[in-house]
Amino acid sequence: AQKVTQAQTEISVVEKEDVTLDCVYETRDTTYYLFWYKQPPSGELVFLIRRNSFDEQNEISGRYSWNFQKSTSSFNFTITASQVVDSAVYFCALSGGTGTASKLTFGTGTRLQVTL
Amino acid sequence: EAQVTQNPRYLITVTGKKLTVTCSQNMNHEYMSWYRQDPGLGLRQIYYSMNVEVTDKGDVPEGYKVSRKEKRNFPLILESPSPNQTSLYFCASSLIRTSGSNEQFFGPGTRLTVL
Repeated sequence: AQKVTQAQTEISVVEKEDVTLDCVYETRDTTYYLFWYKQPPSGELVFLIRRNSFDEQNEISGRYSWNFQKSTSSFNFTITASQVVDSAVYFCALSGGTGTASKLTFGTGTRLQVTL
Repeated sequence: EAQVTQNPRYLITVTGKKLTVTCSQNMNHEYMSWYRQDPGLGLRQIYYSMNVEVTDKGDVPEGYKVSRKEKRNFPLILESPSPNQTSLYFCASSLIRTSGSNEQFFGPGTRLTVL
C-alpha cells in the first residue's frame, strides 16, 4: 500500500524566513510520481510540481525548490523568503505506476502561516 | 478553457435528503475520480472511473454512489446523507497514459454540510 506522511501539521514563520515542508512516502512501485499541491484559503487545489521516480534532480522555480531523495523516500519543499501570500495548506501526494491511471495518495497536509 | 467543473459549490442539506453533486470535464479524459477532504486526514478517494460505464470503489466508498454514462460527466450521489458526510469534495480527471504521469486536474471543490 502507498502512504504519504507529512509530519508537520502547522508551521508559522515570519515573512522573509525560509521554510521547508517535509514529505516522506512509502511505495512498492518502482515507477511512481510525486506531487505537491497548494490549497489557499479559497479552497481550490493548485498544482505546484510533479516529479517522477527516475528523476532525482532538484528543481527550483522562483522562490520554490524541491529536494527529492530516493534513498530516504523524501520529497521536501522549500520556500525561500516566504511571503504572506504563501499562507496555505500544502499537500504532498503520490501516484504509482505506469500503464494505468491511478489514484493520488495524499498526505494529511501542512498548514503554513506566514505573518508580517 | 480546459477545466473540471463541479456544482453546486456550496450545499447545506438535512440528513436523509438525497443529493447529487455534478462533475464535468471538457478535456476528453478517460479517468475521473472523487475525493473527500477532512481536517487531519488529507484527501481520500471515494470512487473512480476508468471510462464510460466502468466505476470502482476507492478508499471510502460507503454512503456514496457514482455513475458514468457519458465520458465528460461523473456525478456523485448521496442517497441518504448523514452528518459524517459533511466534507469538502473534489472531482478530478486525467488521461490514461501507457507511459508518463497521469496528472490529475481538480475541480474547484464542493463544500457540503449535512445537518
